[in-house]
Amino acid sequence: DIQMTQSPSTLSASVGDRVTITCRASQSISTWLAWYQQKPGKAPKLLIYKASTLEGGVPSRFGGSGSGTEFTLTISSLQADDFATYYCQQYHSYATFGQGTKVDIK
Amino acid sequence: QVHLEQSGAEVKKPGSSLKVSCKVSGGTFSSYALSWVRQAPGQGLEWMGGVIPALGTPDYAQKFQGRITVSADESTRTAYMELSSLQTEDTAIYYCARGRWLQVGFFFDFWGQGSLITVSS
Repeated sequence: DIQMTQSPSTLSASVGDRVTITCRASQSISTWLAWYQQKPGKAPKLLIYKASTLEGGVPSRFGGSGSGTEFTLTISSLQADDFATYYCQQYHSYATFGQGTKVDIK
Repeated sequence: QVHLEQSGAEVKKPGSSLKVSCKVSGGTFSSYALSWVRQAPGQGLEWMGGVIPALGTPDYAQKFQGRITVSADESTRTAYMELSSLQTEDTAIYYCARGRWLQVGFFFDFWGQGSLITVSS
């Protein structure tokens, strides 16, 4: 099974900050990676797929990069609505999620 | 617009089975992967299994092999997930999700609202 590891587990930031979350795969997954945002009590929301393709309707301040085993999600200027938990997910083989990164208010 | 409507919360006894449903409205039903993802309290997301109705054969995470059955009824546009031999550790929110699939992998663009399943004696 492919394991996904995110860092950090928690990130404290302020509105306007540039935020970067890292996701590492236990083996190469090419660019078969998605990112999701989840708010308390809600289902996850797809942000990015194929490592860097923005899902329709997702603000352009969200960006993804990487290939192989290392990936990043960047929020260029954090907004109040972005405080949430973020998950990466590989789909090279079925589906495996990272453990999540909670972005909270500094 | 695509919408996934799941069955409601349930309380189950240890050793029993559960069956959750997910009715899909809008979009194409048969050519997407309908998957089940669970989230234990305060924990992350875990893919359990899924099925592409047009292909028929379900896929399951190794962890759940032998006690999970995923199916889909094209006539009612409804997906189902059955999980047997429930333990307290199976207490979780169970989500259905529509998956775009590539060879043997899926990512999920639409999600149901979740069904809270509590396993307790």
